[in-house]
Parts: sequence; structure tokens; C-alpha cells
Amino acid sequence: GIQVEQSPPDLILQEGANSTLRCNFSDSVNNLQWFHQNPWGQLINLFYIPSGTKQNGRLSATTVATERYSLLYISSSQTTDSGVYFCAVVITGGGNKLTFGTGTQLKVEL
Amino acid sequence: GAGVSQSPSNKVTEKGKDVELRCDPISGHTALYWYRQSLGQGLEFLIYFQGNSAPDKSGLPSDRFSAERTGGSVSTLTIQRTQQEDSAVYLCASSRESTPYYEQYFGPGTRLTVT
Repeated sequence: GIQVEQSPPDLILQEGANSTLRCNFSDSVNNLQWFHQNPWGQLINLFYIPSGTKQNGRLSATTVATERYSLLYISSSQTTDSGVYFCAVVITGGGNKLTFGTGTQLKVEL
Repeated sequence: GAGVSQSPSNKVTEKGKDVELRCDPISGHTALYWYRQSLGQGLEFLIYFQGNSAPDKSGLPSDRFSAERTGGSVSTLTIQRTQQEDSAVYLCASSRESTPYYEQYFGPGTRLTVT
């Protein structure tokens, strides 16, 4: 089946720093979503981005489907950005079920 | 508007008992999905429903797991004869439709502990 790999697995930042999280996938996809799982376990939608670039405040994302990767940029990080970031993809021809990556655990310190 | 809701938020059960988990999707969403999150397996797909079509059950781990969706809205995930390896957070999601491919929104989950 499809492999969805995220890097780095863990990341510690000082407040105010910028970071880039990466999601690589091994097969053709029709959909890609980025989520933030907060400390209470809730999955919060960040981006629905099967291709192209989107921005939302301090966050932006880029997906290059032909090269099978997506990037999530966090600028001017805040302690509330802490948590786990997941990318999830829908495989072409695989229905609409999401296959999740293993996540990036982010901790932002003062 | 209201998001996806799930109940109960926590469930502790003894090995061998049956449990039912409930999901109420976002109003107007026709597609509903179940996933689970466990330490060993990460986040994995279980089953999804789209309108009146037959559900995609390809992710159910065993025949002890079943789900139904009544009236195209609320869904119940049932686990029979629970085992300790069933302990996980069960997440429900919904989307407007499942094709072409709409954004999925998740509920807060039900944490199931099998003792």
C-alpha cells in the first residue's frame, strides 16, 4: 500500500522561530490534508491542498503532486502551535479514505 | 455551525463485553468515516458510508467490528467481544460527499479502554 512519511518526527523550537514540515507519499493521490492534533486529541483542519500553495495567517502549505510531496510552513511559532502535525492523503482510485502519515511532534518553548 | 459530535467521550469496558460508539456528522454532510488512533498503529481507516451506497468496510480489522448508519445521518460503530488490542481512540469524520474528494472534518473521538 501507499507509504506516507513525515519528517522530522520530532521538532523543538523557540517561540518566534520558523519551521518546515515535510510529507512524502509513494503513490499518486487525489487529495491531501494537513491537520494539527492539539494536546486534547482534537484533529484540527489546517489545509485541504491536493496541489498548489495556500496560506492562512502564519501557516502556509505547498503540494507538488507530480513529485509526491507536500510542505507545511510555520512562521513566528507560538506555544499554542505545539502538538502533532499530520498529513493525510487519498490514493487515486482508492475511494475517499484518508491514509495518514506518522506525524511530526512539535514543541514550541518560550 | 455544529461540528462532528461523538459519544461517549470515554468508555471503559471489560474484555469480552460489547460496546457501541456513536457519531453525529455535520448537518448536510452525506459521507461519514470511522478511523481509530492507537499507539502501535497510528491513525487508520476503518469504514466509510456515502449516501445510500454500500459502505466501504475494507479497513475493519475483524468481524467483531461492524457499523451502521441510520437515516443517512447518525452512525454507530459496534465492537463485539472486546479485546485489549481494541483499546484506542475512535474518531469519526464527515464530508459533504466522498467524490470528487471533499475535505473531511473530525469529531473529538471516543477513548476506549478495554480492561
